[in-house]
Amino acid sequence: DQQVKQNSPSLSVQEGRISILNCDYTNSMFDYFLWYKKYPAEGPTFLISISSIKDKNEDGRFTVFLNKSAKHLSLHIVPSQPGDSAVYFCAASEYSGGSNYKLTFGKGTLLTVNP
Amino acid sequence: EAGVTQFPSHSVIEKGQTVTLRCDPISGHDNLYWYRRVMGKEIKFLLHFVKESKQDESGMPNNRFLAERTGGTYSTLKVQPAELEDSGVYFCASSQENRGWGYTFGSGTRLTVV
Repeated sequence: DQQVKQNSPSLSVQEGRISILNCDYTNSMFDYFLWYKKYPAEGPTFLISISSIKDKNEDGRFTVFLNKSAKHLSLHIVPSQPGDSAVYFCAASEYSGGSNYKLTFGKGTLLTVNP
Repeated sequence: EAGVTQFPSHSVIEKGQTVTLRCDPISGHDNLYWYRRVMGKEIKFLLHFVKESKQDESGMPNNRFLAERTGGTYSTLKVQPAELEDSGVYFCASSQENRGWGYTFGSGTRLTVV
């Protein structure tokens, strides 16, 4: 059973417009949520995170919103640029005792920003 | 600083053969993780080392997979014997602190079992 779901496999937007990527989760024990960006033949790179006690975190063009009651988060990219074209993974961190944390990822959303 | 290095970048082997993947974490990072992405699916946790000790190996699929981290430096992940369903991209990540985030991922090893 998938605990982190990204229901849109792909998204296409025009340069300059807003990109909104969505993510749903089921595990109430997740304490941090993260977005990773991945280019082909590269590893995921950290983009932005949000603590489960916050509802918004902003970093430049990137803003993550968290709605705990709905178990939903979203990543907003404004304005979108062609270089933002990549696969975006939503991930959630869970503390599992001792010094154990691990990330649970969604399947990813391929964002294409058209010039 | 050098990033997380993985090699080989690609490996094609026949079913039943053995393959060893290697990961060199960022120097000084005690935490090392292995993750795997099977085609089109999510990236899944395999295991977590703190220095040379396995902290959590709950994601290892079965006993055909063996991970080691000798001396707390580089790590190897051996698959023996490989099966078709082992195909995917194997990512290694490292971090200085274990807070569930702040990982640096390597570029991955794409394993194809034919």
